[in-house]
Amino acid sequence: DTGVSQNPRHKITKRGQNVTFRCDPISEHNRLYWYRQTLGQGPEFLTYFQNEAQLEKSRLLSDRFSAERPKGSFSTLEIQRTEQGDSAMYLCASSAGLLQETQYFGPGTRLLVL
Amino acid sequence: AQSVAQPEDQVNVAEGNPLTVKCTYSVSGNPYLFWYVQYPNRGLQFLLKYITGDNLVKGSYGFEAEFNKSQTSFHLKKPSALVSDSALYFCAVRDFARDDKIIFGKGTRLHILP
Repeated sequence: DTGVSQNPRHKITKRGQNVTFRCDPISEHNRLYWYRQTLGQGPEFLTYFQNEAQLEKSRLLSDRFSAERPKGSFSTLEIQRTEQGDSAMYLCASSAGLLQETQYFGPGTRLLVL
Repeated sequence: AQSVAQPEDQVNVAEGNPLTVKCTYSVSGNPYLFWYVQYPNRGLQFLLKYITGDNLVKGSYGFEAEFNKSQTSFHLKKPSALVSDSALYFCAVRDFARDDKIIFGKGTRLHILP
């Protein structure tokens, strides 16, 4: 399968703990995006990368959140000192080319903070 | 600011009947419009997009959507619904002239009744 992959698929943690999620984009896609989806809502944009450069961050991305894409391939999203309000599905997407329009999504990581 | 409205939380259609899922949008520039589908505990799957050209766009699984600039709408349609079409459908918009993030609607749950 050459689609976007995300690990882990599920994560349960206690409030205050740190968690890290990984996203592997479609091979050779130079743009990578993170979204967050809560129950009953559509995905909300968090941040995106062009190669290894982080080009935009949403106001939703508090200082407890950090994302990296060190070699322009996979990306990690870390949440420090998790809160119950961080419970959500975290979705990763990737796209290719200069006029890329279509973002292809991974299966998501579902986070539950107890 | 960009926004998407999906006025129906849920749509029920009998199998074999035509279906329509409504979407209206707001962007300051030229819109790029998308439909995605989400099955339970899965990521988003791309269905179709409108960039330019013919206002009627055909996509995966027999779905199509009609772009109407004057009504700022992009309704999703299918001539004959299948039970397997039951899922959560998201309309999304992107103003390419401004930035690269996609703004999603809240989603419409489609129930196809056998």
